[in-house]
Amino acid sequence: AQSVTQLGSHVSVSEGALVLLRCNYSSSVPPYLFWYVQYPNQGLQLLLKYTTGATLVKGINGFEAEFKKSETSFHLTKPSAHMSDAAEYFCALNAGNMLTFGGGTRLMVKP
Amino acid sequence: EPEVTQTPSHQVTQMGQEVILRCVPISNHLYFYWYRQILGQKVEFLVSFYNNEISEKSEIFDDQFSVERPDGSNFTLKIRSTKLEDSAMYFCASSRDRGRTGELFFGEGSRLTVL
Repeated sequence: AQSVTQLGSHVSVSEGALVLLRCNYSSSVPPYLFWYVQYPNQGLQLLLKYTTGATLVKGINGFEAEFKKSETSFHLTKPSAHMSDAAEYFCALNAGNMLTFGGGTRLMVKP
Repeated sequence: EPEVTQTPSHQVTQMGQEVILRCVPISNHLYFYWYRQILGQKVEFLVSFYNNEISEKSEIFDDQFSVERPDGSNFTLKIRSTKLEDSAMYFCASSRDRGRTGELFFGEGSRLTVL
């Protein structure tokens, strides 16, 4: 069975600070991993994905994530938070033909 | 930029009533999905649809649910007799490619409230 766990349902950072959103997964097959972002009153937008190859993946808006098989993790980072990054972030895994989502992390950015 | 559109954005209904949620996927996409998110819970897979038939469905997608693509553009989710526990945000998604690397494009969601 596949599962995704996001540690911290709410994360608060100051503008300009490092953003770190944690995601751990469990999969019986090599996972394909995704991060989606949901801004208020909008749909889910793909930030980045890992399929094969380079384990450090760069996405839109300055975000990146690193696939660490030994730690079964796919944490999302951004060196410097902007106010516009405030949103809900979802980590997801595809081990077949459907996405399994984590519970989501709401990122708040303080001025 | 092409996008997935969903209507209505919010629907309130009485328990036992039928509800139809509508989606217009991106025009050159072939694979269609419904997910839902109960307030405070995870986004959950409901069903995938390809070539006018269901490809996969979850345990949630019981006989009360059905999907169809009636006219080649719309993709609908019908709940035959709504229950209180059907209250959720329902997301439609489409993808051009199948399989584990296919990127899903999501709509903004339809919030269903069952009273």
